[in-house]
Amino acid sequence: QSVLTQPPSVSGAPGQRVSISCTGSGSNIGAGYDVYWYQQLPGTAPYLLISGNNNRPSGVPDRFSGSKSGTSASLVITGLQAEDEADYYCQSYDTSPSGSVVFGGGTKLIVL
Amino acid sequence: EVQLLESGGGLVQPGGSLRLSCAASGFTFDNYAMAWVRQAAGKGLEWVSGISGSGAITYYAGSVKGRFTISRENSKNTLFLQMGGLRAEDTAVYYCAKKVHSGLAPFDSWGQGTLVTVSS
Repeated sequence: QSVLTQPPSVSGAPGQRVSISCTGSGSNIGAGYDVYWYQQLPGTAPYLLISGNNNRPSGVPDRFSGSKSGTSASLVITGLQAEDEADYYCQSYDTSPSGSVVFGGGTKLIVL
Repeated sequence: EVQLLESGGGLVQPGGSLRLSCAASGFTFDNYAMAWVRQAAGKGLEWVSGISGSGAITYYAGSVKGRFTISRENSKNTLFLQMGGLRAEDTAVYYCAKKVHSGLAPFDSWGQGTLVTVSS
């Protein structure tokens, strides 16, 4: 199982707001490491959505936002659109072993 | 434009070896840390290994430590993953990914992936 825990799926209707959680522990998110979010459309490589401290790379709509508190983080998508249907992954770092990268198991977003 | 192009995947028997390559272009290669991330069919992302810009520092996931070796040839803008002692559970699409910077940073560019299948 993945070091970071995400719900297997979330759903919402077009125009609605959805939130995807990412739960870690004291050795990763709780240790103060940033949390990053990726979107993966079917058959394609992951795409960076949130690059830490709720920063969005150029081209990412402001409908996507990230937050972190304690040992958890969340990705919020507002104004849901059909093209947002994809898999979403959180990523952070871990102290054990030092420098290791950890991912969440991924969440399938279903747009109803 | 950043481009990452993986190659070297294929079918290999359990216990066998394979060498993946990732040709990079569009950025100053030796300024950036790189990594390999894999994804089994229908499964999530799994970080495999990372390497600093100079190649002096390497990191491995516990599942591959001692079997896989990451390296880079900066003069040829190429990242490698030498895989040995392959197991069925190593079957996956392997992506090479570029970090935003050399510290604790996300991956802002990914290749299209190369499929490794371990089977007899």
